[in-house]
Amino acid sequence: QQQVKQSPQSLIVQKGGISIINCAYENTAFDYFPWYQQFPGKGPALLIAIRPDVSEKKEGRFTISFNKSAKQFSLHIMDSQPGDSATYFCAANNDDYKLSFGAGTTVTVRA
Amino acid sequence: DTEVTQTPKHLVMGMTNKKSLKCEQHMGHRAMYWYKQKAKKPPELMFVYSYEKLSINESVPSRFSPECPNSSLLNLHLHALQPEDSALYLCASSQEPLRENEQFFGPGTRLTVL
Repeated sequence: QQQVKQSPQSLIVQKGGISIINCAYENTAFDYFPWYQQFPGKGPALLIAIRPDVSEKKEGRFTISFNKSAKQFSLHIMDSQPGDSATYFCAANNDDYKLSFGAGTTVTVRA
Repeated sequence: DTEVTQTPKHLVMGMTNKKSLKCEQHMGHRAMYWYKQKAKKPPELMFVYSYEKLSINESVPSRFSPECPNSSLLNLHLHALQPEDSALYLCASSQEPLRENEQFFGPGTRLTVL
């Protein structure tokens, strides 16, 4: 059973548009929420991460919004570029080792 | 050097073969991980080594046998695999086995079992 639910499964956005990916969790013990980006033929790479005591974190064009009471968090990609076309995984962690990944969202940015 | 390397990139093996996957990092990381990733799915944790000792085995079948010969190297020995074991096998490492330590992933080995 997936502990982190991610949506949508895929999305297409025009260059310059905003991509939004949503994740929800049930386990209130989760206290670290990273996002990973994976290009075809590559391993995932950490994009940005947040802890639940912060409601928003921004790094360049990527922003995580976190709603602790709703147990939801989302990734916004502003000014989407073709190079952002990849699969994005949200994840959550409440112990030393194990990341619980969402199902993934394939983002396609059309030029 | 912030790279995790994996060899081979591709591997095709029969169900009776024995093969090994290799992973190497020179970042001084003390935690190393094996993941299995099926197409269009998230990575699934298989094993975790912490300070060269196996600390987590996620109920992986015994036909997969991990080995950590030293702090930089991680192997995954494969024997009598099934076609459903075909997947991308990812190695990752982190400085310490702590939740906020970034896991650096290698590019993976694409395994096909015939």
